[in-house]
Amino acid sequence: EPEVTQTPSHQVTQMGQEVILRCVPISNHLYFYWYRQILGQKVEFLVSFYNNEISEKSEIFDDQFSVERPDGSNFTLKIRSTKLEDSAMYFCASIGGRQDTQYFGPGTRLTVL
Amino acid sequence: GIQVEQSPPDLILQEGANSTLRCNFSDSVNNLQWFHQNPWGQLINLFYIPSGTKQNGRLSATTVATERYSLLYISSSQTTDSGVYFCAVERGGNKLVFGAGTILRVKS
Repeated sequence: EPEVTQTPSHQVTQMGQEVILRCVPISNHLYFYWYRQILGQKVEFLVSFYNNEISEKSEIFDDQFSVERPDGSNFTLKIRSTKLEDSAMYFCASIGGRQDTQYFGPGTRLTVL
Repeated sequence: GIQVEQSPPDLILQEGANSTLRCNFSDSVNNLQWFHQNPWGQLINLFYIPSGTKQNGRLSATTVATERYSLLYISSSQTTDSGVYFCAVERGGNKLVFGAGTILRVKS
């Protein structure tokens, strides 16, 4: 069964450093998402991406965050200058069509020290 | 925005017992999914169920869209069923709004 993959599985960084989280969505999917989950809390939407542009973003997704689809397979989330409160599990998801199951990757656990 | 409430927040079961988890949502939805978050943090798709009833082995789910709730049934629970169960709904734009989850512990 096709799956969404994410790398790295765990990233440790110093406050103020830039990090790039990588995702490979399911190959024929068209809509891509990033979510995050702070430890012990609910999963929160960050941003959706379709047709090479952001469709919607939450208030969490401020100027420190950016997304990119640099080629036909990868989908990245960049945090320019990490803060302690960015420590969380980040999930990538993709969907083939509007009325379909959203498939989630295994997540990247980001720890900011 | 849409509100998603899950109950109970915590549930402890003896192995072999059955359980029902509930998800209430405050407005009409286009999509509803149930997930199981395993101890490694992975979100495992259980059901895509905007309406109707589906079954997959010991798990089944029912969504009554007109009454804005969904139920997840777990029968003959096993220790591997332990984890957090999330309901998530989509109202527009394909973004999922998650509930706070039900923490399930199955004891042997």
